[in-house]
Order: sequence, then structure tokens, then C-alpha cells
Amino acid sequence: GAVVSQHPSWVICKSGTSVKIECRSLDFQATTMFWYRQFPKQSLMLMATSNEGSKATYEQGVEKDKFLINHASLTLSTLTVTSAHPEDSSFYICSAPDQGLDTQYFGPGTRLTVL
Amino acid sequence: EDQVTQSPEALRLQEGESSSLNCSYTVSGLRGLFWYRQDPGKGPEFLFTLYSAGEEKEKERLKATLTKKESFLHITAPKPEDSATYLCAVQAQGNTPLVFGKGTRLSVIA
Repeated sequence: GAVVSQHPSWVICKSGTSVKIECRSLDFQATTMFWYRQFPKQSLMLMATSNEGSKATYEQGVEKDKFLINHASLTLSTLTVTSAHPEDSSFYICSAPDQGLDTQYFGPGTRLTVL
Repeated sequence: EDQVTQSPEALRLQEGESSSLNCSYTVSGLRGLFWYRQDPGKGPEFLFTLYSAGEEKEKERLKATLTKKESFLHITAPKPEDSATYLCAVQAQGNTPLVFGKGTRLSVIA
């Protein structure tokens, strides 16, 4: 099946710093990718929709100036957590729809810990 | 508003003890219902997509079924390696994000 990768798989940073997370579709092109956040023992919550060539669409309550999304190409979307704080610590997961296989594939996730 | 409710929240089975997980949904025009498996600290792994009532799909010990209001994931003779959280999600239109339920945490004891 299709593969979606994320980098890094985990990151620890100090409060106030910025962290960039990459999401790549490895064997298919994705004009749209989705970013989710998952807290312990909870389900995935959609943060934003990343669109290649246009601005991202953010869900209600998600600060667009804090979570910067750039869909640089048909295989790469990045999420930058700016001025991270401990409450931003979470598991961030991206997904990309493979229209050829008509399903959505998820990346392995990035564990962010802000000290 | 699209909504997905999964039950039970947690399920503990003995190895070989078959059971079913439930996913009830409300959506404004279902395009697809998805089942994923998620292991701790990992992203969801795709299992099945169901599109219309009456459809069934199987993969090893798992079988997913769909009605107009709910989906079931049947697990036959489970093994300890089937222990995971099983997530159900719906999609209303193509290329839109999935709406997830809270998942069922399955533990299979040897």
C-alpha cells in the first residue's frame, strides 16, 4: 500500500522555540494533506487541511499563526509549531489521500515534548 | 454535524474468544467508512474502506460490515498480536478529512 512518512519521529525542545515537522507521500502525489493531533488515550483531532499551492484551512480553535503549514510540493507538507509551550506537547500525525487507491494513509506520527 | 461513536471503549478477550466492535455514525451523505488499527506511539494503519450498506470486507481474522447506521468489526479467534486500538472514521465527500471515533482498545490475553 501507499506510504506516508514523517520526520522527525520524536523531538524534545525548550519552551519558546519553533519545531518543524515534515510529512511526505512517498509513492503518490497528494494535493491535499491533513494534520491531526492526538493526546494520550484520545482519538485523532483534525487541526488543519494542507493544500498544495494555496493556504491551509484551519479547524476552529486552532491558531494559524502558531501552527504554520506549508504545502511545498505534491509530496511534501510541513507543520511548524512556533513558540512552542508545554501544552503543545502531543502526538502529531499527518495523512494523505491516495486517490488512486481511494483511501487515506497516515504517517507514523511525531511525538513532540516541550520542556 | 458528522459524528462517530465507538463501543465498547475497551475490550478484553481471551485468545480465541471471538467478538465484535461497534461503530455508529451519522453523516451527511456517506462516501466511505474506514477502519484503522493503531498501536501505541504509532500512526493509524489502514484496514478497510466500506462504501455502501451490505458491504463486507475481510482480512485475516478481521471482518468489517456496514449498515446505514453502523459498522461492525468482527474479530474471529483473536491472538495477542491483535491487541491494539481500533479506530472507525467516516468521510462525507472525497478528499475531505476523516471524522474519527474515540476508538476501542482491544486487549487479547494468551
